[in-house]
Amino acid sequence: GEDVEQSLFLSVREGDSSVINCTYTDSSSTYLYWYKQEPGAGLQLLTYIFSNMDMKQDQRLTVLLNKKDKHLSLRIADTQTGDSAIYFCAELNTGGFKTIFGAGTRLFVKA
Amino acid sequence: KAGVTQTPRYLIKTRGQQVTLSCSPISGHRSVSWYQQTPGQGLQFLFEYFSETQRNKGNFPGRFSGRQFSNSRSEMNVSTLELGDSALYLCASGTGGNDEKLFFGSGTQLSVL
Repeated sequence: GEDVEQSLFLSVREGDSSVINCTYTDSSSTYLYWYKQEPGAGLQLLTYIFSNMDMKQDQRLTVLLNKKDKHLSLRIADTQTGDSAIYFCAELNTGGFKTIFGAGTRLFVKA
Repeated sequence: KAGVTQTPRYLIKTRGQQVTLSCSPISGHRSVSWYQQTPGQGLQFLFEYFSETQRNKGNFPGRFSGRQFSNSRSEMNVSTLELGDSALYLCASGTGGNDEKLFFGSGTQLSVL
């Protein structure tokens, strides 16, 4: 089946680390993504990871992939108020030519 | 390089009417995907087009249709609008390759009264 699940809300203090978690069901997914959506805008690709990797780091962003548990996480170091947005986890269904998104996690950053 | 352009930005329609939304992908991109975003359902996949061919379709009724032109621009049409069709419709373009990274437009906000 195709399903991507993530928690709906996360609140952190400015300067702390944020960890957003996601689980997916399609074990044949080759790529997994994190997108960010700010108010009134479309989604913006933040980072992605190939399924044969465990970790990918990109400046303040760290993606961890546990393929056995089908668990993906996004860690944002030194979270800033500008990071407040909705973060979407997504998996690429290669055979179906479609990207499946989770419902999104709304990140609140308190000053 | 220009981004993904969706028009119009806002639309207000009444029940029973039909609507056509337009999407111009990034130059050189041949894949266009459409998504419906609502607060309760998140992003739901509508369909994907590549080189004028629909490669996949989501679980939406036949009132939702789309097409892609030879210049990769795409349109989606919703006929006999219902209140529940009120949503943000997002278009995304991509190369259509194996690592498909999607580039989204700002969306069309459709309100059905």
